Amino acid sequence: GQQLNQSPQSMFIQEGEDVSMNCTSSSIFNTWLWYKQDPGEGPVLLIALYKAGELTSNGRLTAQFGITRKDSFLNISASIPSDVGIYFCAGMNYGGSQGNLIFGKGTKLSVKP
Amino acid sequence: GAGVSQSPSNKVTEKGKDVELRCDPISGHTALYWYRQSLGQGLEFLIYFQGNSAPDKSGLPSDRFSAERTGGSVSTLTIQRTQQEDSAVYLCASTSGRVGPNTGELFFGEGSRLTVL
Repeated sequence: GQQLNQSPQSMFIQEGEDVSMNCTSSSIFNTWLWYKQDPGEGPVLLIALYKAGELTSNGRLTAQFGITRKDSFLNISASIPSDVGIYFCAGMNYGGSQGNLIFGKGTKLSVKP
Repeated sequence: GAGVSQSPSNKVTEKGKDVELRCDPISGHTALYWYRQSLGQGLEFLIYFQGNSAPDKSGLPSDRFSAERTGGSVSTLTIQRTQQEDSAVYLCASTSGRVGPNTGELFFGEGSRLTVL
């Protein structure tokens, strides 16, 4: 079945640093989504992308839908402590069963000791 | 309530016992998902309900797992004869089920943490 490879698995951030993570797929999607999960909470949608090549920003977050439709990246600029958490990419092909929403394994952001 | 509600928030059980986890989706949402999140792992899809259609059960890991959704609203995930490897956080999510702006936006509950001793 379809799989998403999300990297890095984890990273440490220092306040003010820019952060970048990405997701690749073995097959195409027509929707890419990025979620964030805080400890003890369920994931919350950050950005949704519906068109190949689309670049979308949400505050300090920027995400792009790869032109091949097999990848997406998320950048966080000027990170702050509340950015820590787990970030998940997800791919979906709407028009069919909406159950076909596949999640990556997550990128865990922690604060540098 | 305004969000997805799950209960219990924590459940400790002994190996071999059955457990039921409940999800109350956002009112009016026709689509409902169950996911499992093991410690430090990603979201493992379990089952998906959409309106009156037959559920997509392709993610259920074994026949010990089952779920139902009564009246198109509340859902119950049942795990029979629990095993230690069933220990995880079980997340429920709902969405409007309509294709359009923000398609793919799932609204998650806080999860039910299951510990099997």
